[in-house]
Amino acid sequence: DVKVTQSSRYLVKRTGEKVFLECVQDMDHENMFWYRQDPGLGLRLIYFSYDVKMKEKGDIPEGYSVSREKKERFSLILESASTNQTSMYLCASSLSGGVRAFFGQGTRLTVV
Amino acid sequence: RKEVEQDPGPFNVPEGATVAFNCTYSNSASQSFFWYRQDCRKEPKLLMSVYSSGNEDGRFTAQLNRASQYISLLIRDSKLSDSATYLCVVILKGGGADGLTFGKGTHLIIQP
Repeated sequence: DVKVTQSSRYLVKRTGEKVFLECVQDMDHENMFWYRQDPGLGLRLIYFSYDVKMKEKGDIPEGYSVSREKKERFSLILESASTNQTSMYLCASSLSGGVRAFFGQGTRLTVV
Repeated sequence: RKEVEQDPGPFNVPEGATVAFNCTYSNSASQSFFWYRQDCRKEPKLLMSVYSSGNEDGRFTAQLNRASQYISLLIRDSKLSDSATYLCVVILKGGGADGLTFGKGTHLIIQP
């Protein structure tokens, strides 16, 4: 079975802290995604990567950056966490070519 | 920007009833279609793929209408355990950051 693993299920950080969310997949997928999910707003794409060191901005990249140094790992970085970044963060991966995506278990981040 | 639209519900349905909901998409270049299920505080998981010819998996039937640009999900003999949010997912040909688009989900509540 494909496994997408996010480093933490729950995280509490202080305003202004630099926050790293890690995601690892074990199926050699080219594509990796970071979403945030908020009530009533659905899943919103933050960043997408289609290869090592390659990234594209999604719908809401402001306040975030990403890193993909290895194919299996895609990191989301909150440079200076703010309370409006309190959310559920979901990582996903997929093969290229229009196939299904697999999700990690999610990280519920609270910024206080 | 392409969109995927779903009725957010909630759909309150008695146990044993049949329920159906649709999802419309705006980009005719869309290539692949899926229904995902998301339980409260969990990650989305693939429920089924959607094909023009329709596909059935037990009590679930999914259909694609390319001419009218919508996909549908039918659940027969609904169970309490079917209560969840159902997300439709549309993948554009060529992928990329726009390649994987989620609807905001339809919330289904099966009542005893």
